[in-house]
Amino acid sequence: AQKITQTQPGMFVQEKEAVTLDCTYDTSDQSYGLFWYKQPSSGEMIFLIYQGSYDEQNATEGRYSLNFQKARKSANLVISASQLGDSAMYFCARRGGAGGTSYGKLTFGQGTILTVHP
Amino acid sequence: DAGITQSPRYKITETGRQVTLMCHQTWSHSYMFWYRQDLGHGLRLIYYSAAADITDKGEVPDGYVVSRSKTENFPLTLESATRSQTSVYFCASSSAGAFQETQYFGPGTRLLVL
Repeated sequence: AQKITQTQPGMFVQEKEAVTLDCTYDTSDQSYGLFWYKQPSSGEMIFLIYQGSYDEQNATEGRYSLNFQKARKSANLVISASQLGDSAMYFCARRGGAGGTSYGKLTFGQGTILTVHP
Repeated sequence: DAGITQSPRYKITETGRQVTLMCHQTWSHSYMFWYRQDLGHGLRLIYYSAAADITDKGEVPDGYVVSRSKTENFPLTLESATRSQTSVYFCASSSAGAFQETQYFGPGTRLLVL
C-alpha cells in the first residue's frame, strides 16, 4: 500500500508562532497531488492547501504553506502566526495520477492534533 | 449553495439491521466517495464512483453496498450492520478524477451500532 505517514500524533504551539506539521508519503506514481485538510472539533473536513507533484514552487494559501521536498517524499504543512482557531486535527493526503493504482482516490495519514496555546 | 449534504447526521441502530446513509451534492461532480473515520486509522476509502452507474471498491468495502443511479446521489448501505461498523462516515466529491482535483467533504454521519 502507498502509505502516508504523519509522525506527530500531537503538536503544541504558542499563539502567533509558526508551526510545522510533518508528512511523508510512499508512491510509485509519476504524477500525484498532495492535500492538507483541517478537522476541527465540530468534525467537518476542511480543505486547506494543494501541491502537485510537478509544481516547482511551494504552494501557499494565506497563512498556510506547503514545504514540498519531492526527493524526500515529504510535504510538510507550515502554519504561520498561529491562532487559537487553528487548534484542530490536520490530515495529509495524496491522490494518484492517471495510470497509477491510486488514480482518483485519496489516501490519508493518521493525522496530527494541533493545540494552540494563548 | 448547499454543496454536499449527508443524512442522517446521527444514527443509532442494532446489529443485523440494514442502514442506508445518504449523500447528495449540488455541484454535478463526476466523482463521489465514501470514507469511514476511526481512531488510529485516519480516513479509509470504502467505495467510490466515477460517474452514474460506475462504482468501485476502496480499501475497506466488506459489508457495504453502494449505488449511483443519479449523478448527485451516492447512498451507502450497510446490509447487516455489525458493531465494527460503528464509525463516522464521510461522503466526498470532486469534479474529476485527476490528481489535482480537490475532494470536498460532507459534514459526516455518526453511526453507532449496538
